[in-house]
Amino acid sequence: EAEVAQSPRYKITEKSQAVAFWCDPISGHATLYWYRQILGQGPELLVQFQDESVVDDSQLPKDRFSAERLKGVDSTLKIQPAELGDSAMYLCASSLAPSGYEQYFGPGTRLTVT
Amino acid sequence: GENVEQHPSTLSVQEGDSAVIKCTYSDSASNYFPWYKQELGKRPQLIIDIRSNVGEKKDQRIAVTLNKTAKHFSLHITETQPEDSAVYFCAAGGNTGNQFYFGTGTSLTVIP
Repeated sequence: EAEVAQSPRYKITEKSQAVAFWCDPISGHATLYWYRQILGQGPELLVQFQDESVVDDSQLPKDRFSAERLKGVDSTLKIQPAELGDSAMYLCASSLAPSGYEQYFGPGTRLTVT
Repeated sequence: GENVEQHPSTLSVQEGDSAVIKCTYSDSASNYFPWYKQELGKRPQLIIDIRSNVGEKKDQRIAVTLNKTAKHFSLHITETQPEDSAVYFCAAGGNTGNQFYFGTGTSLTVIP
């Protein structure tokens, strides 16, 4: 069964450093999401792509976070500079299309900022 | 935007009993309501979903009910088993742009 891939699975970085996460969605899935999940809370949408275009990035802290999906397939989420409060699980998900299709989640990247 | 509230935050039941988790949403345009199960250290996985044109959906021991007028939906798990222990998240969205908002989660513990 196809799955969403993410790397790295774990990342420890010092504050003020740059960090990047990669996501490869299920083949054929046009919609890709990046979520941040703080321990004990539900996933919070950071950015949503439809193919290579950003559909929603209203919750993305744009002063330090950036995301791209240049060819409409895999995607990269970057944080620069990282802050202590960025420590969280970063989840990528994909779906066939927006508006009511099941989202399949990747295993996530656990980020610890020291 | 959407606002999803989920209750209770923790729930303990005896094996074999039923568990009910409730969510409310604010955006009347939301039309898709999935429920995800997340075991410790694992990714969220869809267990059941319902669309706004349906009032109830059942899949073996799991059922979801939707009251569009009151803007609330509930997850029902019957004959609970220890392997049902996990964190359950509701979500609402599916309107234009498919902006999903998740609830804060319910940690379910099934006591053998």
